[in-house]
Amino acid sequence: GQQVMQIPQYQHVQEGEDFTTYCNSSTTLSNIQWYKQRPGGHPVFLIQLVKSGEVKKQKRLTFQFGEAKKNSSLHITATQTTDVGTYFCAGLASDSGGSNYKLTFGKGTLLTVNP
Amino acid sequence: DTGVSQNPRHKITKRGQNVTFRCDPISEHNRLYWYRQTLGQGPEFLTYFQNEAQLEKSRLLSDRFSAERPKGSFSTLEIQRTEQGDSAMYLCASSRWGQGGGYTFGSGTRLTVV
Repeated sequence: GQQVMQIPQYQHVQEGEDFTTYCNSSTTLSNIQWYKQRPGGHPVFLIQLVKSGEVKKQKRLTFQFGEAKKNSSLHITATQTTDVGTYFCAGLASDSGGSNYKLTFGKGTLLTVNP
Repeated sequence: DTGVSQNPRHKITKRGQNVTFRCDPISEHNRLYWYRQTLGQGPEFLTYFQNEAQLEKSRLLSDRFSAERPKGSFSTLEIQRTEQGDSAMYLCASSRWGQGGGYTFGSGTRLTVV
C-alpha cells in the first residue's frame, strides 16, 4: 500500500532559525496536504498542493510539491514559539482504484522552538 | 459552522467492554472519515463515508470495529470486546467533495482500555 515518509522525526531550533521538513511518497500523488497539530490538539489543515512543481506561501511558511508529484517540503522562515507542534504531510494517491479520497499521513515532524 | 464535534472526549473502559463514539460533522460536508492516532504517529485511516454509504474500511480493522452514518448526518464508531491495543485517539474528520481543500478534524475521543 501507499506509504508516506517524513524526515526529520524531531527538530529543535532556536527562535528565529529556519526549519524544513520533507515528505516522500512511495507512489505518485494527485495532491498533497499539510496539517499542523499542536501538543494536545488535533490536526489542522494548512494547505493543499495539486500541480507538479507548485510552490505556495503562507506568511513565513513555504510549501513545495515536487516535479514528479512524489515529494513535498515545508519551510518555515524565522521560527517563532507559536510554530511549535507536529507538522504532517498527507498524500492522496493518483491511482488508487477509485479510492481518491483517502489521505495517507506521514508520521510527522515534531518542531520545538527555544525562545 | 460549529466545526466537527466528537463525544465523548475521553473514555476509559475495561478490557472486553464495548464502546461507542459519536461524530457530528460540519453540516454541509458529505464526506466523513474516521482515523486513529497513537502517540508519535500520524493519523491512520479506519473508514470513510460519502453521505450514508460506507465506501471503504481499512483492512487493518478487525471485525470488532463497526461504523455507521445513518441518514448521512452524524456517525458512530463502535468497538466491541475492547483490547488494550485499541487504546488510542480516535479522530473524526469531514470534508465536502468538489470543494477542494482539506479535512476538518474534530478534537477526538481518547480511549484508554485498562
